Amino acid sequence: SAVISQKPSRDICQRGTSLTIQCQVDSQVTMMFWYRQQPGQSLTLIATANQGSEATYESGFVIDKFPISRPNLTFSTLTVSNMSPEDSSIYLCSVEVREQGEKLFFGSGTQLSVL
Amino acid sequence: ILNVEQSPQSLHVQEGDSTNFTCSFPSSNFYALHWYRWETAKSPEALFVMTLNGDEKKKGRISATLNTKEGYSYLYIKGSQPEDSATYLCARLSGNTGKLIFGQGTTLQVKP
Repeated sequence: SAVISQKPSRDICQRGTSLTIQCQVDSQVTMMFWYRQQPGQSLTLIATANQGSEATYESGFVIDKFPISRPNLTFSTLTVSNMSPEDSSIYLCSVEVREQGEKLFFGSGTQLSVL
Repeated sequence: ILNVEQSPQSLHVQEGDSTNFTCSFPSSNFYALHWYRWETAKSPEALFVMTLNGDEKKKGRISATLNTKEGYSYLYIKGSQPEDSATYLCARLSGNTGKLIFGQGTTLQVKP
């Protein structure tokens, strides 16, 4: 299994500011995934963070809005830039463990509210 | 079906009741179906990963079945307990893209 520490757990931010979310994994993993769940919506993949290369973004998500860092195999950050109320969501990081049937293990989430 | 769809959206049952909910998904290019339980203020937790048509998996009072030909999976909870209260998510892993597509979840509330 994998244990992921994610912080902050929640934040209330002003429009136009940025927030950086951190995830620390207790083991080395090749890929880390960043998800978002907007109110009433499905959990949606934002991007895949690869160590040593640029993150791969899903359709509808861009690097300028959601810059990602992946400095080593146990850590990643996601920044939500120039926030608007539409960015109010739960943000989750996760990793895949192939030895356990490609299950995802998740951080505990960041509840973001933008005023 | 183009997306992963879960029903019902929410469910309220009494302690001791058995319940079930549905996940429907596109059957083409299927690779695997995941079920997760997400309790409030906690991390989503993997329940099952299912790959074969006709698969049945069980974990305590919770079990799941899979029909890949018609594109659905059922999750059953026998004798629901208040600690089963959570949102249950299913996700389809595409053989084409290798990505998980999640449904919107079924939120279960078990009243003591």
